[in-house]
Amino acid sequence: DIQMTQSPSSLSASVGDEVTITCRASQNISTYLNWYQQKPGKAPQFLIYAASSLRGGVPSRFTGSGSGTDFTLTISGLQPEDFATFFCQQCYTTPLTFGGGTRVEIK
Amino acid sequence: QVQLVQSGAEVQKPGSSVKVSCKAAGGTFSTDTFSWLRQAPGQGLEWMGRIIPHLGLTRYTQKFQDRVTFTADTSTSTAYMELRSLRSEDTALYYCARHQTFQGGAAGMDVWGQGTMVIVS
Repeated sequence: DIQMTQSPSSLSASVGDEVTITCRASQNISTYLNWYQQKPGKAPQFLIYAASSLRGGVPSRFTGSGSGTDFTLTISGLQPEDFATFFCQQCYTTPLTFGGGTRVEIK
Repeated sequence: QVQLVQSGAEVQKPGSSVKVSCKAAGGTFSTDTFSWLRQAPGQGLEWMGRIIPHLGLTRYTQKFQDRVTFTADTSTSTAYMELRSLRSEDTALYYCARHQTFQGGAAGMDVWGQGTMVIVS
């Protein structure tokens, strides 16, 4: 199975800050990498596919990048509604696997 | 816009079984692919497998393949997940989710059910 490792596991930031979350795959997954946002008590929401493509309706302050084994999610100008947990997920092969999550908290 | 509505919370005893339903409203249920995932309290997401209703195809992760069965009723646009021989470690929020595929082969889960809490105690 492909292991997905996210860092950090949590971070504190203020509204307006830029934050970066890293996701590393245990083997080359090209750009078969998705990002999700999960707010407390809610199901995950699909943000980014193919490492860098924003789904419709996702604000442009979210940026995904990377290929191979190393990926990043950057949020530029953090908004109050962005405080949540973010997960990466590889869709290169089954079993589909997720990173452990990064919790973005208000400083 | 498709919505996935799951059945209500369950409390089950160790060794018993649970069957969770996921009804799709809208969309093209019979040709879509649906995954089942779970999330233990305070933990991350774990993919259990997927079903393609119109083909009757299922794929289970090795961890669950001996204890789980995915089925679907295309006449009611409902998918089901049955987990047997429950143990306390199976206490989790169980989700169904629909796959969205993109040019180039990328795929993600674009519509999720609200989750069904299963407590094994």
